[in-house]
Formats: sequence, structure tokens, C-alpha cells
Amino acid sequence: AAGVIQSPRHLIKEKRETATLKCYPIPRHDTVYWYQQGPGQDPQFLISFYEKMQSDKGSIPDRFSAQQFSDYHSELNMSSLELGDSALYFCAVPGTSNYGYTFGSGTRLTVV
Amino acid sequence: AQKITQTQPGMFVQEKEAVTLDCTYDTSDPSYGLFWYKQPSSGEMIFLIYQGSYDQQNATEGRYSLNFQKARKSANLVISASQLGDSAMYFCAMRDDGNNRKLIWGLGTSLAVNP
Repeated sequence: AAGVIQSPRHLIKEKRETATLKCYPIPRHDTVYWYQQGPGQDPQFLISFYEKMQSDKGSIPDRFSAQQFSDYHSELNMSSLELGDSALYFCAVPGTSNYGYTFGSGTRLTVV
Repeated sequence: AQKITQTQPGMFVQEKEAVTLDCTYDTSDPSYGLFWYKQPSSGEMIFLIYQGSYDQQNATEGRYSLNFQKARKSANLVISASQLGDSAMYFCAMRDDGNNRKLIWGLGTSLAVNP
């Protein structure tokens, strides 16, 4: 079935550690968006890719980087983690109908 | 700048009744899309309904309908015959058609359906 797979679902890291979040659109999609949703907050746009090139950049810290690979999966790399990075991280691709977007189930990152 | 405003942090509704969740937006672009998403406590983001800026009729999807008033820049979500499973956060979002088509989100409304 079509969808977006994110891994891991949950991640606990210590401050100053690094984390890598992965996103696998099924089927492959040329466009992917990353959002960060802090506790009790609305999602915030981080970064997007089209055809493996960065297409837009939002409120993404310099400690974060992302990439869309040749097989169209995407990864969000986060370094020097801070307590404030604790959030739910979504990736999303444009939907095939209803003009909607299909979201992955998210990765819940907890920094301790 | 584009903006979505949801003024209701929390709402209560009795099971089987209808409820309206408010959403106003601000944009200078003539072309845009408006969305409603449901986020249950599990955290997943579930697409509910879409309204395009040029659509003449209000969107409907089952028990969900969107009261689109373009002149007032409002896109309220109406949920009819509320069910206990409707208890969740509801986000209104706008697609930025002029720039990469990313979504701009409101702060959300927490809906509680009482039995």
C-alpha cells in the first residue's frame, strides 16, 4: 500500500549526540518535506527536496542537514542535539489524490 | 506573509452533535489550498479535507465539510454526528502555492467528544 515509512518511530538521545531520521515514500516520490512539531505546537517546516535537490529551507538549525538519495528516500541528520530538539519529526510527500499530502507516522525524538 | 489562525485552543461537543472548528487565513496569493488534518494522541497526521481557492463549492468528505467563505478568508471545518473517535487535535493548514507548495499551519484546536 502507498504511504510514507519513517524510522525509527521513537528515538532517545543524550545532549550533544547525533541522530539520523529516515523517510521512505512508497511508491517513490520526487518531492519530500520535513516538518518538526514540538510538544503542544503546530508543525514547522524544516526543509524540502525535489529531484534530490534542496528546494526550500525553513526554520532548520545549522546543526541539522538533510538529503534525498538516488532511491528517493530521505534522511534528516541532527548533530549536537539539544533538549529543545525533542519533538515529533514528520516527513511528507504530495498525495496522489485530493491534493493532500501523505505524512509518515513520525519519529518522536526525545533528547535527555 | 501567509498565516493561519485557529482561535479555539479547545472545544467540547456531545457525541452525535455537530461541531464547527474555526480557521481564518491570510494570503496575498490568488491561488492557494486549504487543508484540515486530524492528529490523534498517537501523533499521526491524518488528512481530512481540501478546499482549493478557485473551488466554487464547499468541500465535503463524509461527515466532514468545509465552510469556505473566501471574502472573509475563513475555512471552518464542520464535523457532523460527532463520534468518540473524533477526539483529537485538528489543524488547519494552507498550501503555499507561490513557493514550493509547503504547508503553513495553524496552532490547532483540541476537540473532546463527550459520551
